[in-house]
Amino acid sequence: NAGVTQTPKFRVLKTGQSMTLLCAQDMNHEYMYWYRQDPGMGLRLIHYSVGEGTTAKGEVPDGYNVSRLKKQNFLLGLESAAPSQTSVYFCASSFQGGAEAFFGQGTRLTVV
Amino acid sequence: GQQVMQIPQYQHVQEGEDFTTYCNSSTTLSNIQWYKQRPGGHPVFLIQLVKSGEVKKQKRLTFQFGEAKKNSSLHITATQTTDVGTYFCAGQTSGSRLTFGEGTQLTVNP
Repeated sequence: NAGVTQTPKFRVLKTGQSMTLLCAQDMNHEYMYWYRQDPGMGLRLIHYSVGEGTTAKGEVPDGYNVSRLKKQNFLLGLESAAPSQTSVYFCASSFQGGAEAFFGQGTRLTVV
Repeated sequence: GQQVMQIPQYQHVQEGEDFTTYCNSSTTLSNIQWYKQRPGGHPVFLIQLVKSGEVKKQKRLTFQFGEAKKNSSLHITATQTTDVGTYFCAGQTSGSRLTFGEGTQLTVNP
């Protein structure tokens, strides 16, 4: 049972480049989340989804877009990467809003 | 908006000493969760507390939820090197999403 899988695990981007991070879960969870983790700032919610075809903004949505075309996948896009987006990105899923969240292994993104 | 604050940010202990991290919310919570993240790893769910005044134990770990459901604590008795990591609380108010605290990074000197 794979749980939550994120790809890629590492990426270096140049300022202005675009990329998409993919999150896939095989637990049939309705809720999916994208967080970024920076030193001393905990986990900050970027965007989330409460079901297929839905998305919503979190605490720090600027500079990111998301899509949930299939229940099992949640994509995070950076249209024009900036150095401030250097971070570790975690995807998570849960059965419902207040339930245990299962995290992926993370993507370490560096924007130079 | 809802804020969840966690203290201390860092804690260094000698192996065998006890450790406590505290979590405080600006609003009343419907539940609180605790996660552990090992260095270089991802957050892993430890426990969820729902009831006012609830206390739960997992071996050497004791979790408490305050009577007013606005604060929580995690206490580790006799720390071991395997306890190293960052401990996060995450609170939820009714109908909203989880809000994570900043985390407490625990180091244990053998």
